[in-house]
Amino acid sequence: DSGVTQTPKHLITATGQRVTLRCSPRSGDLSVYWYQQSLDQGLQFLIQYYNGEERAKGNILERFSAQQFPDLHSELNLSSLELGDSALYFCASSTSGTSGVYEQYFGPGTRLTVT
Amino acid sequence: TQLLEQSPQFLSIQEGENLTVYCNSSSVFSSLQWYRQEPGEGPVLLVTVVTGGEVKKLKRLTFQFGDARKDSSLHITAAQPGDTGLYLCAGARSNFGNEKLTFGTGTRLTIIP
Repeated sequence: DSGVTQTPKHLITATGQRVTLRCSPRSGDLSVYWYQQSLDQGLQFLIQYYNGEERAKGNILERFSAQQFPDLHSELNLSSLELGDSALYFCASSTSGTSGVYEQYFGPGTRLTVT
Repeated sequence: TQLLEQSPQFLSIQEGENLTVYCNSSSVFSSLQWYRQEPGEGPVLLVTVVTGGEVKKLKRLTFQFGDARKDSSLHITAAQPGDTGLYLCAGARSNFGNEKLTFGTGTRLTIIP
């Protein structure tokens, strides 16, 4: 158990709909990352938040947005869903050591199926 | 752009054999991490290497970071069925507080009993 929790575990919805994925980081971790993993794309970085502020952006579509709340949990909002958005969505949190090494710990993921 | 190439992509070997997985890049990383992922689950961190030339051992797994910090290898001795999974390397390029991991293409390992 990494200490990172994600809900829901599975989500099935129709095209055009909007969903919200939730993540709680490990106790004490200030950074939260969101990744998308599909069969043909591997693990793709979407976005990072650090202590409530957006810190880095990856290949995140404009239809997707995220935020991190004062209690440090994060939500990933996916709207106008398309079939191609079906994937595993992972949240990770990180701690930084004095050497500047950022080890990321992943949650169990949310499997999104768009029909 | 995929900055980290792993080889082989797929590997299927008999229990008890040895194997090596490679992770290569043209970019320098401040640290490199190896993860193992099982189907439907999140990647689990195995090790982090930081110093060029560093070697770390985790039981039957040996991880090495290249001298130039551009590549890494994972060697498994006497592979067991429990080693089956997707192995991912991930390189970090961090401006302090603005870290980001770039994941490799992955190596899917199957150990046949």
